[in-house]
Amino acid sequence: DAGVIQSPRHEVTEMGQEVTLRCKPISGHDYLFWYRQTMMRGLELLIYFNNNVPIDDSGMPEDRFSAKMPNASFSTLKIQPSEPRDSAVYFCASSLGAPGYNEQFFGPGTRLTVL
Amino acid sequence: KNQVEQSPQSLIILEGKNCTLQCNYTVSPFSNLRWYKQDTGRGPVSLTIMTFSENTKSNGRYTATLDADTKQSSLHITASQLSDSASYICVVSAGGGYNKLIFGAGTRLAVHP
Repeated sequence: DAGVIQSPRHEVTEMGQEVTLRCKPISGHDYLFWYRQTMMRGLELLIYFNNNVPIDDSGMPEDRFSAKMPNASFSTLKIQPSEPRDSAVYFCASSLGAPGYNEQFFGPGTRLTVL
Repeated sequence: KNQVEQSPQSLIILEGKNCTLQCNYTVSPFSNLRWYKQDTGRGPVSLTIMTFSENTKSNGRYTATLDADTKQSSLHITASQLSDSASYICVVSAGGGYNKLIFGAGTRLAVHP
């Protein structure tokens, strides 16, 4: 298996532009997670899905952020409009079964820079 | 409040030396504790996981310990290698339903030749 796939790996955009990050989870996994990582705050859970349904989006910072999972093999995280403080590495992870004892497998991340 | 604190924040050691990283948590109810290794530019990868009843778990040169009474865990790295240079993240799972994950800020380890 190729693991969790994320694209793009790097994204540089200007403030105010729309940014879309993409994720393909490991085939067969029923949970998908979006995280944000910064030096100041470490890893933060933004939202997670179970069987394509959003379960907990309490970590989404504000309405500018939205996430979708139209099918079991694809998810997007969209930021519109983007701001410089959104600059971070965004990770997608997936797991078979609920997190906790079931391991989450992380993708390589998307490094987002908003100028 | 559920919290996970790691120390030290960063560490430099010479190749071949041992080191120990610390993780203290205040998470209730406790379900399990996992250590992740994150290489620069990559996603975290799980090293070990321990439940309440386990107090030691090894993965090659990595040995994790858990003291559920004092709510402390440590990750010991034996005979360090240059490839051990990474961030090490302690993650505690709170029990009850979803098993909410609480992440530590990580320890950044640099192994020098």
